[in-house]
Amino acid sequence: GNSVTQMEGPVTLSEEAFLTINCTYTATGYPSLFWYVQYPGEGLQLLLKATKADDKGSNKGFEATYRKETTSFHLEKGSVQVSDSAVYFCARSPSNTGKLIFGQGTTLQVKP
Amino acid sequence: EAGVAQSPRYKIIEKRQSVAFWCNPISGHATLYWYQQILGQGPKLLIQFQNNGVVDDSQLPKDRFSAERLKGVDSTLKIQPAKLEDSAVYLCASSLVSAGGVYNEQFFGPGTRLTVL
Repeated sequence: GNSVTQMEGPVTLSEEAFLTINCTYTATGYPSLFWYVQYPGEGLQLLLKATKADDKGSNKGFEATYRKETTSFHLEKGSVQVSDSAVYFCARSPSNTGKLIFGQGTTLQVKP
Repeated sequence: EAGVAQSPRYKIIEKRQSVAFWCNPISGHATLYWYQQILGQGPKLLIQFQNNGVVDDSQLPKDRFSAERLKGVDSTLKIQPAKLEDSAVYLCASSLVSAGGVYNEQFFGPGTRLTVL
């Protein structure tokens, strides 16, 4: 089927630690891939995206690379901050549809 | 630029009652989406509009849910009658569509949190 699977949370890290949140997808065709973030008390907002294989999306120190061969789009950050504490959602958009199919979300807690 | 507006922010009803949610997208955004986000899950698309036409409503439970966007601007989502399992956050999002049919970034509203007792 068409789905997005994220690693289970919560993920708890100390400040300045390295972050990886795994995301894999199943799809036909060539979907666009996204990471959305939901900070406490705020709405969903786009963090980064990639629209074709081998593209790397990046924003605010976060990166993710579209890996078609492993159908993955893992989110990474070299040094997390307390302010990065949020829920992170991986999502894909089937070609030419606009709609988003989300993973279940991964809660990140960063401790000082 | 004003964001996506939704109201109400919170609603508590009893099962079998009716409820309606309102969304005003970002000005000029032709595409409007309604998502349902159950606690602990990612948002799930209920319906997608392009102007005042429905593009995708394949996951909308049509026996109880309805949505409209009559003038191609704001939209309402209705549940009648509500069930316990409808308790969720209902998110509205909007986006531009570029020339050639390319969908741009979706901007989300703050959501309406519905509790069905």
